[in-house]
Amino acid sequence: ILNVEQSPQSLHVQEGDSTNFTCSFPSSNFYALHWYRWETAKSPEALFVMTLNGDEKKKGRISATLNTKEGYSYLYIKGSQPEDSATYLCAFRMDSNYQLIWGAGTKLIIKP
Amino acid sequence: ETGVTQSPTHLIKTRGQQVTLRCSSQSGHNTVSWYQQALGQGPQFIFQYYREEENGRGNFPPRFSGLQFPNYSSELNVNALELDDSALYLCASSLRGAVDEQYFGPGTRLTVT
Repeated sequence: ILNVEQSPQSLHVQEGDSTNFTCSFPSSNFYALHWYRWETAKSPEALFVMTLNGDEKKKGRISATLNTKEGYSYLYIKGSQPEDSATYLCAFRMDSNYQLIWGAGTKLIIKP
Repeated sequence: ETGVTQSPTHLIKTRGQQVTLRCSSQSGHNTVSWYQQALGQGPQFIFQYYREEENGRGNFPPRFSGLQFPNYSSELNVNALELDDSALYLCASSLRGAVDEQYFGPGTRLTVT
């Protein structure tokens, strides 16, 4: 059974602080790793699709790294703002199989 | 560019009934995936349709079935509803390719009583 784990499950961060969380996935037959942000009452929003070992992607204050050999990805948020409050989900795609296997998410709450 | 839409937003059904959920893909997308999300869990892949053909299925029983239409809109049908089918159902559309970035609708909240 393929498993994608995210940690921590939830996180409270003071506004202005930086934070990061982890997505662990199977290290074999890797094809792609997706990160999504899901705000309450909205649709999940794609952040990054990462395909190469050592990939680093950045969108504003949010960045992500990828290690396919050891099976993990980190998501970093620099200088957290209240609008960053959301659940961050990662999803693993294996080989040419189009199925995405999802983690349960990290719920991030920014305290003003 | 129109985003992904789903209908209805909420639905309450009784155990044993049948339900149809609908999804309109983002303009230009030819692939749609359906997911079930139970409380506190990540989305679980139900199946994917590419150009009107089922193209991959997760660990869901045959009473979960789908259709994709020539305009790439899609339906998810669930027969003989069970209490455990209560969940948020998400559809996501994409343009089949190397990246296959998926764009999600807001979901349909199904409650089975």
